[in-house]
Amino acid sequence: GAGVSQSPSNKVTEKGKDVELRCDPISGHTALYWYRQSLGQGLEFLIYFQGNSAPDKSGLPSDRFSAERTGGSVSTLTIQRTQQEDSAVYLCASSPILADTQYFGPGTRLTVL
Amino acid sequence: GNSVTQMEGPVTLSEEAFLTINCTYTATGYPSLFWYVQYPGEGLQLLLKATKADDKGSNKGFEATYRKETTSFHLEKGSVQVSDSAVYFCALRWSSASKIIFGSGTRLSIRP
Repeated sequence: GAGVSQSPSNKVTEKGKDVELRCDPISGHTALYWYRQSLGQGLEFLIYFQGNSAPDKSGLPSDRFSAERTGGSVSTLTIQRTQQEDSAVYLCASSPILADTQYFGPGTRLTVL
Repeated sequence: GNSVTQMEGPVTLSEEAFLTINCTYTATGYPSLFWYVQYPGEGLQLLLKATKADDKGSNKGFEATYRKETTSFHLEKGSVQVSDSAVYFCALRWSSASKIIFGSGTRLSIRP
């Protein structure tokens, strides 16, 4: 079946612009996660959704970052007023509830000039 | 706090060599432990996992044993292939439907 998909695959933006990154989880997966993979920081957790609510937002680096999920499916990660340090690969993962395995998407590579 | 420490890379080996990538964790209780792999140009994939002490996870010739006494989950393979070249991440997770804490990753390169 279809895996986790993310769009766009690459995004180049200018400093100060807003960007939206999209994640389509595997159908039926109730849990959805956002991570960031950057050179200096490795792989770090950003936020987690259970259904449409976000029980854990502890990894969001600043109030410029926000995320929402609608219909228990698609999620959007929004970064406002992007900074160069936001440049990274943003990864989305999903899992069925009460399951250990998270399935990762291919990521969105964000470059802020 | 909870953390994962794995050996720094890059690790370069010849084909058919024995591989060990060390991983230790700091956590209270009994997290689930994972190895994820990222092949060049591809997304993260789960390689293997273990959910309780003394469990052994295995896949594609790789193995790792959950050692509570040494808080370790070292990845091993008896005979590596060029196709094993990738970045390997050790990780832990507290409970189902919670975030994963990753190690920094170890880049493995296998020479023909």
